[in-house]
Amino acid sequence: EVHLVESGGGLIQSGRSLRLSCAASGFTFDDYAMHWVRQAPGKGLEWVSGINWNSAGVDYADSVKGRFTISRDNARRSLHLQMNSLRVEDTAIYFCAKEHCGGSCFSGLDSWGQGTLVTVSS
Amino acid sequence: QSVLTQPPSASGTPGQGVTISCSGSKSNIGTNFVYWHQQVPGTAPKVLIYSRDQRSSGVPDRFSASKSGTSASLAISGLQSEDEAEYYCAAWDDRLNAYVFGTGTKVTVL
Repeated sequence: EVHLVESGGGLIQSGRSLRLSCAASGFTFDDYAMHWVRQAPGKGLEWVSGINWNSAGVDYADSVKGRFTISRDNARRSLHLQMNSLRVEDTAIYFCAKEHCGGSCFSGLDSWGQGTLVTVSS
Repeated sequence: QSVLTQPPSASGTPGQGVTISCSGSKSNIGTNFVYWHQQVPGTAPKVLIYSRDQRSSGVPDRFSASKSGTSASLAISGLQSEDEAEYYCAAWDDRLNAYVFGTGTKVTVL
């Protein structure tokens, strides 16, 4: 069974940095791309970033491009999101999610973590 | 701003059926698979339907999906109280190089 556990969230001031992590188990981690998705309080889901199996391909939402960096460590089965220059509007629950198709394709998400809350204060 | 448009709400009595629509464009629904996710309030989303309209493990066959052109839909038959949740469609967008979600539809069982 796929298991994704996020960590690293918290309360932080605007302009500062935070690094989120996601520990993965229950599947062959380096066979799949991975994603970060966020949900602001009372709002819908917003895709943040995705990274393919070998880190050669990454994509970002326009809202975070240039500020956030996604990375992965296949040996440690972990996914990370480095968030710099945080803004109040980045306040959200951040979910780690597994890509459904294998390799380098981006098709859709088939498993979700429980999320970690990031609160950015002004 | 969501690229995929859904009705904000849908409702039915127990045993009835509801259908949720999802409108997109050629670069997302028109080209790629549509996934459907369910989110019960206060919990993480979970996938209901993925890839070629396949139900995720444990999802009852009361849930079914279809796609035509640049629109997709999720049908729930025989509504049950545990179906009360927010439902999101999603697809990869080739033009934006981004994964896009629908605006979400809140399903209420009356």
